[in-house]
Amino acid sequence: NAGVMQNPRHLVRRRGQEARLRCSPMKGHSHVYWYRQLPEEGLKFMVYLQKENIIDESGMPKERFSAEFPKEGPSILRIQQVVRGDSAAYFCASSGTVTDTQYFGPGTRLTVL
Amino acid sequence: TQLLEQSPQFLSIQEGENLTVYCNSSSVFSSLQWYRQEPGEGPVLLVTVVTGGEVKKLKRLTFQFGDARKDSSLHITAAQPGDTGLYLCAGAGTGFQKLVFGTGTRLLVSP
Repeated sequence: NAGVMQNPRHLVRRRGQEARLRCSPMKGHSHVYWYRQLPEEGLKFMVYLQKENIIDESGMPKERFSAEFPKEGPSILRIQQVVRGDSAAYFCASSGTVTDTQYFGPGTRLTVL
Repeated sequence: TQLLEQSPQFLSIQEGENLTVYCNSSSVFSSLQWYRQEPGEGPVLLVTVVTGGEVKKLKRLTFQFGDARKDSSLHITAAQPGDTGLYLCAGAGTGFQKLVFGTGTRLLVSP
């Protein structure tokens, strides 16, 4: 499967715990984007990363959220001290160049109890 | 802030009918994509349009990008139950592709 991979597909956390969401881009893609889809809302941009660099994090909440895309391995979206309002579907997309079409993964559905 | 409004929000039709979904903005986009999203899955790309006035056809689906690159439409001919899903338009500005998504149109095609 050469598509964008995300894991886990479903994640349940209690309030105050940490959530780690992983994204492996399509083969050959070095641009990764994270989007969040809240219940009954559209997808909203969170952050754009290239290998080892955060290019734009204008859509990231200022606190508790962080993202990385190391030289080796998947991109990670980390949410510390989760709250119920963090419950959402988190999608990762990747592209080959900055102007190429983005291809989306299947998403991680985070539920905070 | 760039916004994309889609209409209608919901559409329930019978198999064989035609329909059009609209995606409108006051902002200019360098390109516009249409995606379809099934429940529990990620958006799947249908088409990318980049030139004002461009028309692209994908079997029974016809996509048009407005001359001013501020709006787009998706027309489905002879809809089938397999067309059921959430249709999303997404615009990209100049530079890197920080996609701005539309509000979505939920389509239900009944046999």
